[in-house]
Amino acid sequence: EVQLVESGGGLIQPGRSLTLSCTTSGITFGDYAVSWVRQAPGKGLEWVGFIRVKAYGGTTGYATSVKGRFTISRDDSNRIAYLQMKSLKAEDTGVYYCTGVPTSSGEYYMDVWGKGTTVTVSS
Amino acid sequence: DTVLTQSPTTLSLSPGERATLSCRASQSVYNYLAWYQQKPGQAPRLLIYDTSNRAAGVPARFSGSGSGTDFTLTISSLEPEDFAVYYCQQRNNWPPIFTFGPGTKVDIK
Repeated sequence: EVQLVESGGGLIQPGRSLTLSCTTSGITFGDYAVSWVRQAPGKGLEWVGFIRVKAYGGTTGYATSVKGRFTISRDDSNRIAYLQMKSLKAEDTGVYYCTGVPTSSGEYYMDVWGKGTTVTVSS
Repeated sequence: DTVLTQSPTTLSLSPGERATLSCRASQSVYNYLAWYQQKPGQAPRLLIYDTSNRAAGVPARFSGSGSGTDFTLTISSLEPEDFAVYYCQQRNNWPPIFTFGPGTKVDIK
Protein backbone atom coordinates (compact mmCIF):
# COMPACT_ATOMS: atom_id res chain seq x y z
CA GLU A 1 0.00 0.00 0.00
CA VAL A 2 1.28 3.43 -0.96
CA GLN A 3 1.60 5.74 2.02
CA LEU A 4 2.94 9.22 2.53
CA VAL A 5 2.69 10.31 6.14
CA GLU A 6 3.39 13.87 7.18
CA SER A 7 4.40 14.74 10.72
CA GLY A 8 5.76 17.65 12.69
CA GLY A 9 2.89 20.06 12.46
CA GLY A 10 1.53 22.02 15.40
CA LEU A 11 1.10 25.44 16.95
CA ILE A 12 4.13 27.69 16.53
CA GLN A 13 4.77 31.34 17.28
CA PRO A 14 5.46 33.82 14.50
CA GLY A 15 9.14 34.10 13.67
CA ARG A 16 9.95 30.61 14.88
CA SER A 17 11.05 27.56 12.88
CA LEU A 18 9.44 24.19 12.28
CA THR A 19 10.41 21.13 10.28
CA LEU A 20 7.87 18.80 8.69
CA SER A 21 8.70 15.22 7.72
CA CYS A 22 7.17 13.04 5.04
CA THR A 23 7.72 9.33 5.57
CA THR A 24 6.97 7.16 2.55
CA SER A 25 6.25 3.51 1.94
CA GLY A 26 4.92 1.45 -0.93
CA ILE A 27 6.65 3.56 -3.59
CA THR A 28 10.11 3.50 -5.13
CA PHE A 29 11.15 6.75 -3.47
CA GLY A 30 14.04 7.31 -5.87
CA ASP A 31 11.59 7.44 -8.79
CA TYR A 32 9.61 10.31 -7.29
CA ALA A 33 10.23 13.98 -6.94
CA VAL A 34 8.56 15.38 -3.83
CA SER A 35 6.37 18.44 -3.84
CA TRP A 36 4.84 20.14 -0.82
CA VAL A 37 1.42 21.74 -1.16
CA ARG A 38 -0.46 23.72 1.48
CA GLN A 39 -4.01 24.82 2.01
CA ALA A 40 -5.00 27.73 4.21
CA PRO A 41 -8.29 27.31 6.10
CA GLY A 42 -11.19 27.56 3.65
CA LYS A 43 -8.90 28.31 0.72
CA GLY A 44 -7.56 26.54 -2.35
CA LEU A 45 -4.37 24.62 -2.93
CA GLU A 46 -1.03 26.45 -2.98
CA TRP A 47 2.18 24.86 -4.19
CA VAL A 48 5.04 25.42 -1.72
CA GLY A 49 8.12 23.75 -3.18
CA PHE A 50 9.65 20.78 -4.92
CA ILE A 51 12.76 18.60 -4.88
CA ARG A 52 13.84 16.50 -7.81
CA VAL A 53 15.28 13.01 -7.61
CA LYS A 54 19.02 12.55 -7.06
CA ALA A 55 19.46 11.44 -10.66
CA TYR A 56 18.33 14.92 -11.71
CA GLY A 57 20.59 16.61 -9.22
CA GLY A 58 18.10 16.84 -6.38
CA THR A 59 17.47 20.44 -7.38
CA THR A 60 14.75 22.42 -5.68
CA GLY A 61 12.23 25.08 -6.56
CA TYR A 62 10.03 27.22 -4.32
CA ALA A 63 7.01 29.44 -4.50
CA THR A 64 7.78 33.13 -4.27
CA SER A 65 5.85 33.35 -0.98
CA VAL A 66 8.28 30.99 0.80
CA LYS A 67 11.53 31.39 -1.11
CA GLY A 68 14.42 32.10 1.24
CA ARG A 69 12.45 30.91 4.27
CA PHE A 70 11.59 27.28 3.41
CA THR A 71 13.99 24.49 2.44
CA ILE A 72 13.12 21.04 1.12
CA SER A 73 15.49 18.10 1.43
CA ARG A 74 15.31 14.36 0.99
CA ASP A 75 16.92 11.28 2.55
CA ASP A 76 16.64 8.57 -0.05
CA SER A 77 18.14 5.87 2.16
CA ASN A 78 15.29 6.28 4.64
CA ARG A 79 12.68 7.37 2.05
CA ILE A 80 11.88 10.58 3.90
CA ALA A 81 11.44 14.13 2.68
CA TYR A 82 11.62 17.25 4.83
CA LEU A 83 10.21 20.75 4.73
CA GLN A 84 12.20 23.12 6.92
CA MET A 85 10.31 26.32 7.61
CA LYS A 86 11.91 29.43 9.10
CA SER A 87 10.66 32.90 10.01
CA LEU A 88 7.10 31.62 10.07
CA LYS A 89 4.25 34.04 9.50
CA ALA A 90 0.56 33.89 10.28
CA GLU A 91 -0.12 33.47 6.57
CA ASP A 92 1.83 30.19 6.61
CA THR A 93 -1.00 28.65 8.61
CA GLY A 94 -2.67 25.70 6.92
CA VAL A 95 -2.62 22.04 6.14
CA TYR A 96 0.63 20.92 4.55
CA TYR A 97 0.53 18.00 2.15
CA CYS A 98 3.47 15.95 0.96
CA THR A 99 3.03 14.66 -2.59
CA GLY A 100 4.90 12.33 -4.90
CA VAL A 101 5.62 13.52 -8.44
CA PRO A 102 6.60 10.66 -10.77
CA THR A 103 9.67 11.47 -12.83
CA SER A 104 8.65 9.12 -15.60
CA SER A 105 5.80 11.27 -16.92
CA GLY A 106 6.81 14.89 -17.35
CA GLU A 107 7.54 15.40 -13.64
CA TYR A 108 4.59 17.72 -13.10
CA TYR A 109 1.54 16.00 -11.66
CA MET A 110 1.13 14.78 -8.11
CA ASP A 111 0.37 11.11 -8.18
CA VAL A 112 0.27 10.34 -4.48
CA TRP A 113 -0.70 12.48 -1.52
CA GLY A 114 -0.34 12.27 2.21
CA LYS A 115 -3.25 13.11 4.50
CA GLY A 116 -1.59 16.33 5.58
CA THR A 117 -0.35 17.90 8.79
CA THR A 118 -1.67 21.14 10.25
CA VAL A 119 0.58 24.10 10.98
CA THR A 120 -0.85 27.00 12.97
CA VAL A 121 1.28 30.11 13.29
CA SER A 122 -0.04 32.23 16.10
CA SER A 123 1.13 33.93 19.26
CA ASP B 1 4.42 32.49 -14.63
CA THR B 2 1.42 30.68 -16.05
CA VAL B 3 -1.89 31.51 -14.39
CA LEU B 4 -4.77 29.04 -14.37
CA THR B 5 -8.36 30.25 -14.31
CA GLN B 6 -11.28 27.91 -13.60
CA SER B 7 -14.93 28.38 -14.35
CA PRO B 8 -17.50 28.38 -13.03
CA THR B 9 -16.63 28.96 -9.40
CA THR B 10 -19.58 26.85 -8.33
CA LEU B 11 -21.65 24.39 -10.33
CA SER B 12 -24.97 23.33 -8.84
CA LEU B 13 -26.27 20.12 -10.36
CA SER B 14 -28.36 17.08 -9.51
CA PRO B 15 -27.16 13.47 -9.42
CA GLY B 16 -27.27 11.99 -12.89
CA GLU B 17 -26.58 15.28 -14.62
CA ARG B 18 -23.51 16.05 -16.70
CA ALA B 19 -20.85 18.37 -15.27
CA THR B 20 -18.54 20.40 -17.47
CA LEU B 21 -15.67 22.22 -15.76
CA SER B 22 -13.31 24.59 -17.52
CA CYS B 23 -9.64 25.44 -16.93
CA ARG B 24 -7.88 28.12 -18.92
CA ALA B 25 -4.12 28.80 -18.91
CA SER B 26 -2.57 32.21 -19.51
CA GLN B 27 -0.13 30.61 -21.93
CA SER B 28 0.17 27.22 -23.54
CA VAL B 29 0.85 24.29 -21.24
CA TYR B 30 0.73 21.89 -24.19
CA ASN B 31 -1.00 18.81 -22.74
CA TYR B 32 0.69 18.96 -19.32
CA LEU B 33 -2.50 19.57 -17.38
CA ALA B 34 -3.79 17.59 -14.41
CA TRP B 35 -7.07 17.55 -12.50
CA TYR B 36 -7.63 16.75 -8.83
CA GLN B 37 -10.70 16.11 -6.72
CA GLN B 38 -10.92 17.17 -3.08
CA LYS B 39 -13.70 16.25 -0.69
CA PRO B 40 -14.19 18.06 2.64
CA GLY B 41 -11.63 17.04 5.23
CA GLN B 42 -9.68 14.93 2.76
CA ALA B 43 -6.48 15.28 0.80
CA PRO B 44 -6.81 15.94 -2.92
CA ARG B 45 -6.76 12.96 -5.25
CA LEU B 46 -5.32 12.85 -8.76
CA LEU B 47 -8.06 12.27 -11.34
CA ILE B 48 -6.58 13.13 -14.73
CA TYR B 49 -3.04 13.74 -16.02
CA ASP B 50 -1.69 14.68 -19.45
CA THR B 51 -5.05 16.34 -20.16
CA SER B 52 -6.98 13.14 -20.72
CA ASN B 53 -5.41 10.14 -18.96
CA ARG B 54 -7.37 8.84 -16.00
CA ALA B 55 -5.35 7.97 -12.91
CA ALA B 56 -5.54 4.49 -11.48
CA GLY B 57 -8.96 3.64 -10.09
CA VAL B 58 -10.73 6.70 -11.49
CA PRO B 59 -14.16 5.81 -12.92
CA ALA B 60 -14.75 6.13 -16.65
CA ARG B 61 -17.42 8.81 -16.09
CA PHE B 62 -14.53 11.24 -15.60
CA SER B 63 -12.90 12.47 -18.79
CA GLY B 64 -10.55 15.26 -19.72
CA SER B 65 -9.97 17.08 -22.97
CA GLY B 66 -8.34 20.14 -24.45
CA SER B 67 -4.92 21.38 -25.47
CA GLY B 68 -2.78 24.49 -25.33
CA THR B 69 -4.66 26.89 -23.11
CA ASP B 70 -8.21 25.51 -22.86
CA PHE B 71 -9.10 22.36 -20.98
CA THR B 72 -12.26 20.65 -19.82
CA LEU B 73 -13.08 18.08 -17.16
CA THR B 74 -16.35 16.30 -17.81
CA ILE B 75 -18.28 14.09 -15.43
CA SER B 76 -20.78 12.30 -17.63
CA SER B 77 -23.34 11.44 -14.97
CA LEU B 78 -22.84 12.74 -11.45
CA GLU B 79 -22.79 10.22 -8.63
CA PRO B 80 -23.39 11.36 -5.02
CA GLU B 81 -19.69 10.91 -4.23
CA ASP B 82 -18.66 13.30 -7.03
CA PHE B 83 -19.83 16.43 -5.22
CA ALA B 84 -16.50 18.00 -4.33
CA VAL B 85 -14.03 20.69 -5.33
CA TYR B 86 -12.00 20.19 -8.50
CA TYR B 87 -8.63 21.80 -9.22
CA CYS B 88 -6.57 21.94 -12.38
CA GLN B 89 -2.78 22.15 -12.18
CA GLN B 90 0.27 22.65 -14.38
CA ARG B 91 4.00 23.22 -14.04
CA ASN B 92 6.35 25.68 -15.74
CA ASN B 93 9.29 23.92 -17.30
CA TRP B 94 12.02 26.05 -15.73
CA PRO B 95 12.21 27.28 -13.09
CA PRO B 96 9.94 24.56 -11.82
CA ILE B 97 6.89 26.45 -10.62
CA PHE B 98 3.70 24.51 -10.09
CA THR B 99 0.35 26.27 -10.32
CA PHE B 100 -3.13 25.30 -9.24
CA GLY B 101 -6.32 26.86 -10.47
CA PRO B 102 -8.65 28.38 -7.84
CA GLY B 103 -11.02 25.41 -8.00
CA THR B 104 -14.60 24.68 -9.04
CA LYS B 105 -17.03 23.46 -6.42
CA VAL B 106 -19.62 21.01 -7.67
CA ASP B 107 -22.50 20.98 -5.23
CA ILE B 108 -25.91 19.39 -5.06
CA LYS B 109 -28.76 21.41 -6.51
